[in-house]
Amino acid sequence: QSALTQPPSASGSPGQSVTISCTGTSSDVGRYNYVSWYQQHPGKAPKLMIYEVSKRPSGVPDRFSGSKSGNTASLTVSGLQTEDEADYYCSSYAGRTGVFGGGTKLTVL
Amino acid sequence: EVQLVESGGGLVQPGGSLRLSCAVSGFTFSRYWMTWVRQAPGKGLEWVANIKEDGSKTYCVDSVEGRFTISRDNAKNSLYLQMNSLRAEDTAVYYCARDDPGYAAYNSWGQGTLVTVSS
Repeated sequence: QSALTQPPSASGSPGQSVTISCTGTSSDVGRYNYVSWYQQHPGKAPKLMIYEVSKRPSGVPDRFSGSKSGNTASLTVSGLQTEDEADYYCSSYAGRTGVFGGGTKLTVL
Repeated sequence: EVQLVESGGGLVQPGGSLRLSCAVSGFTFSRYWMTWVRQAPGKGLEWVANIKEDGSKTYCVDSVEGRFTISRDNAKNSLYLQMNSLRAEDTAVYYCARDDPGYAAYNSWGQGTLVTVSS
């Protein structure tokens, strides 16, 4: 039940693309295609942005995309906008429980 | 409209107990797994516990095993988290979330309730 590993910070200028990684193990990210990504603004509840590695819930812009290779999942935000500045968390199914990453603070310069 | 509303948070002394509730509306509660997630002040999200649709299966993170119990009352559309032997490190905002879509994906969250463990 160790937390997934994310970089603590990432940044990009408006219009650019940024990719955030999320590294787990063969017991979670590597084993299941149940990786999700959440966006959280200060003082707010998390918002689901990606589920099942690469699927977007209704209403999430297609600027947000997800992928996975082995034990590492990634979230890419294209065409960065100022409102994308937030904390991002990955999570994975781990066989009965869930596990989150430590979070990445995305700064839009 | 899907709504989840947590309550029951507050200040409690170390070693004390607290029961959190999550009242849901806008969907058929008995059809979904439900999960508690917490977030310590200034820290990241931590998965705490989940419960099957009918309450027959529950799982929790090692750090709360034996101290926290998740339960539900489908007739009352309510989810609960009984927290005993509370420690300072349990201080956090506790969110309830609906497991949907898919495994360990949460598209519906409550606003959270703050639990502070301090003497």
